[in-house]
Amino acid sequence: AQKITQTQPGMFVQEKEAVTLDCTYDTSDQSYGLFWYKQPSSGEMIFLIYQGSYDEQNATEGRYSLNFQKARKSANLVISASQLGDSAMYFCAMREDLYNFNKFYFGSGTKLNVKP
Amino acid sequence: DGGITQSPKYLFRKEGQNVTLSCEQNLNHDAMYWYRQDPGQGLRLIYYSQIVNDFQKGDIAEGYSVSREKKESFPLTVTSAQKNPTAFYLCASSIKQRGNLRQPQHFGDGTRLSIL
Repeated sequence: AQKITQTQPGMFVQEKEAVTLDCTYDTSDQSYGLFWYKQPSSGEMIFLIYQGSYDEQNATEGRYSLNFQKARKSANLVISASQLGDSAMYFCAMREDLYNFNKFYFGSGTKLNVKP
Repeated sequence: DGGITQSPKYLFRKEGQNVTLSCEQNLNHDAMYWYRQDPGQGLRLIYYSQIVNDFQKGDIAEGYSVSREKKESFPLTVTSAQKNPTAFYLCASSIKQRGNLRQPQHFGDGTRLSIL
C-alpha cells in the first residue's frame, strides 16, 4: 500500500486566491511526522512546513498552513493568497518513528499553476 | 553556509559506461539518501545510509551502487546495468535521531543525467 497519496496530479488557482493540496497517509505508527516540500522548475527541493502526529495545533508558516485531520489520516497543505511564484510541484512526505525512523516516504506530487 | 553539494549539475553517459554522481554535505548529518526523479513524477528512493560504512537498498536499487566511506560523502554510481538512467538525481541528508522527527531532509540541487 502507498504510504503517501496525493490524488491531484495538477491544480490551477487564480492569483491571490487560496488553494488546498491534498495528502493522505498510511501508517500504523503512533508517532510520525509529515512534511511538505516545494519543487520549482529549477529542481531544488524547498522545505515548507512540518506537522507532528502529537501536535495539537495545525502548523502554520507564513502563507502556508497544514489542515491536519488525524482520524482521517490527511494532511492537506493550504496556500493562502497565491502568488505567481507559487507555481511549482508540491510533495507531501512522512517519517515514522517506530520502524526505520530515517526513511522518508514521498507522494507523487501535485503540480500547481497560478494564473495571473 | 552548511548545505549539500551535488556535482556535476549535468552529466552525459555513453552506452555501457559507468558514471559516478558526487554528493557532499557539511551539515554533520548521519543519514544520507539518493533519489531518482523522472519528468513530472515523484521521488523514488535508490539507496540510503544511516551511518558510515553501512547502507540499505531503497525501492529501485538495481543498476546502482553506493559507498559511504566518510560521513560527509555519499557518491552514487550508475552502472551499465541500469538500462534507462536518464533522470534527475537528488541527494539528501537528515539528522538521525529517533524521537526528533521534526528535522526535515535537506536536499542538494540535483544532477541531470542523460544518455548520449
